[in-house]
Amino acid sequence: GEDVEQSLFLSVREGDSSVINCTYTDSSSTYLYWYKQEPGAGLQLLTYIFSNMDMKQDQRLTVLLNKKDKHLSLRIADTQTGDSAIYFCAETPTGSQGNLIFGKGTKLSVKP
Amino acid sequence: DADVTQTPRNRITKTGKRIMLECSQTKGHDRMYWYRQDPGLGLRLIYYSFDVKDINKGEISDGYSVSRQAQAKFSLSLESAIPNQTALYFCATSDSVAGGRTFSYNEQFFGPGTRLTVL
Repeated sequence: GEDVEQSLFLSVREGDSSVINCTYTDSSSTYLYWYKQEPGAGLQLLTYIFSNMDMKQDQRLTVLLNKKDKHLSLRIADTQTGDSAIYFCAETPTGSQGNLIFGKGTKLSVKP
Repeated sequence: DADVTQTPRNRITKTGKRIMLECSQTKGHDRMYWYRQDPGLGLRLIYYSFDVKDINKGEISDGYSVSRQAQAKFSLSLESAIPNQTALYFCATSDSVAGGRTFSYNEQFFGPGTRLTVL
């Protein structure tokens, strides 16, 4: 497809792991990103992965990249109520002039 | 002080009015962007600017115009607002993309957003 695809909603219980999935469009995208949007705020870069890696870990966050399937995932361990936000996957496909192409965002709700 | 600021933060206007949304940044970045966010549609790029003299249309530029008054300022105008332009608008900045316009790291820094309602 032509769009960066994400499911729109995810609900988890506090303390569980959250996994947010994304399918991107261009296998030659060099960097892939996860942005977080907290309620009432703009987006902030959460983490990113370079395309020659298949995994990146940063504290509670684990990013997995499957280039063959153009699949990106973000795992949040020990999810907290403060993780409730919208998470956007983004890529910079060839021909985008370096601009980011965002998915529609996954709204993560964390229940106590 | 915030690195990327937007004014106003909220605006309610009527159909047919001209509206200007302003964005300022203190990050010294060359690239600036305007996006709109609608529920279920994610972020869509309206216009982007690589520097003061380089302005480009994005995915949904119809009904909008922009002005890059200086490296630090990028304004978005709705010449004649219509109700389906009701949305959350974000300005963003990024550093020049190293190594040309592809294959490079591009972290964007977002403003807090302007919620625009067109009645």
